[in-house]
Amino acid sequence: AQTVTQSQPEMSVQEAETVTLSCTYDTSESDYYLFWYKQPPSRQMILVIRQEAYKQQNATENRFSVNFQKAAKSFSLKISDSQLGDAAMYFCAYRRGNAGNNRKLIWGLGTSLGVNP
Amino acid sequence: DAGVTQSPTHLIKTRGQQVTLRCSPKSGHDTVSWYQQALGQGPQFIFQYYEEEERQRGNFPDRFSGHQFPNYSSELNVNALLLGDSALYLCASSLGSETGELFFGEGSRLTVL
Repeated sequence: AQTVTQSQPEMSVQEAETVTLSCTYDTSESDYYLFWYKQPPSRQMILVIRQEAYKQQNATENRFSVNFQKAAKSFSLKISDSQLGDAAMYFCAYRRGNAGNNRKLIWGLGTSLGVNP
Repeated sequence: DAGVTQSPTHLIKTRGQQVTLRCSPKSGHDTVSWYQQALGQGPQFIFQYYEEEERQRGNFPDRFSGHQFPNYSSELNVNALLLGDSALYLCASSLGSETGELFFGEGSRLTVL
């Protein structure tokens, strides 16, 4: 069974600094997707960034980028120039590719990110 | 363009009661997934509906059931509530392709006393 592990329950960063959130996963599949979601106090999950396993290039979205190490099964999120609005729970999630009838997301426990002014 | 809407936002029930949660998907989406998020945990997949049928189900007992209507909206029903059912219930919609991005609602916070 696939699993997702986030080993950092809490992290903090100074405004304008850079922070990296860690995620490791376990799967025997070769085709899959990885995601980082943000959940602010409003509770709504918001997709931050996604990575297709078959793509070697790391995904980037403005200030957010990932370091995808497929062999090591590692998928870290880097937030550059941190802003107060980045404070939230961040979840790493996995989904099989060619999902057929298996389309569920498997989630880590999350990392609570605080941003200090 | 309305996103995913869920109702009610908060509710309190007692053990043994039944609850119905509702979800309207984002305009144009045809697939609805439900997740349970206990306090301090990541979401757990309950089930997914597509074309009014349950397409996939997670490891939840039969007390959890659902429905999808012709307009793609969905309901989650939980019978015989237990204290452990207290959680945030998230609805997510997508377009039924393999790579369809999930859009989430703000959830329904259920407290069972």
